[in-house]
Amino acid sequence: NAGVTQTPKFRVLKTGQSMTLLCAQDMNHEYMYWYRQDPGMGLRLIHYSVGEGTTAKGEVPDGYNVSRLKKQNFLLGLESAAPSQTSVYFCASSYSFLVGANVLTFGAGSRLTVL
Amino acid sequence: AQSVAQPEDQVNVAEGNPLTVKCTYSVSGNPYLFWYVQYPNRGLQFLLKYITGDNLVKGSYGFEAEFNKSQTAFHLKKPSALVSDSALYFCAVRGISGYSTLTFGKGTMLLVSP
Repeated sequence: NAGVTQTPKFRVLKTGQSMTLLCAQDMNHEYMYWYRQDPGMGLRLIHYSVGEGTTAKGEVPDGYNVSRLKKQNFLLGLESAAPSQTSVYFCASSYSFLVGANVLTFGAGSRLTVL
Repeated sequence: AQSVAQPEDQVNVAEGNPLTVKCTYSVSGNPYLFWYVQYPNRGLQFLLKYITGDNLVKGSYGFEAEFNKSQTAFHLKKPSALVSDSALYFCAVRGISGYSTLTFGKGTMLLVSP
């Protein structure tokens, strides 16, 4: 089972460049999430989606945009990258949300460096 | 707002000894609590969760956690540590209402020495 797949795994950008991270899941999960992981900060939620065509802001949404055009895909975009966006980005998905038992399945991560 | 505190950046334990990784939480109402583990260069993996019922929850790889409502604590434990348990451990909490999302702690690095 592929689970949650993130591409690319590594990327180096210059300040001001744009890019898109792709997350794909093959588990028919309804809910998808983008987190960023920084040393000493843990994981912080950027945006999430509760279904195809929906998106919502998380804890740290500024500087990012997302789209969920297909149920299996969740895209994270950086329109104008900044050094503060250097981080490891994780996509996750879950089947259940409202019942409170939403165990997340994570991708392997995408390491982004902004110079 | 909900939050999680993991007071230790690192926990060191010898193989075969019991281990405890501490977690305290703050949330309105009853909590849903989770532990995840992250091995080097990997995504997070689910270990166990507390939803309701017994305060002692058993999970993967021999780990367990005890929910203590009066101390708002959800410490992760294992009776006998293995070198392969060395990893980064995250505690997470969410409330029971609506579209409440998970809030993660900062993580605790567990190092098990041979």
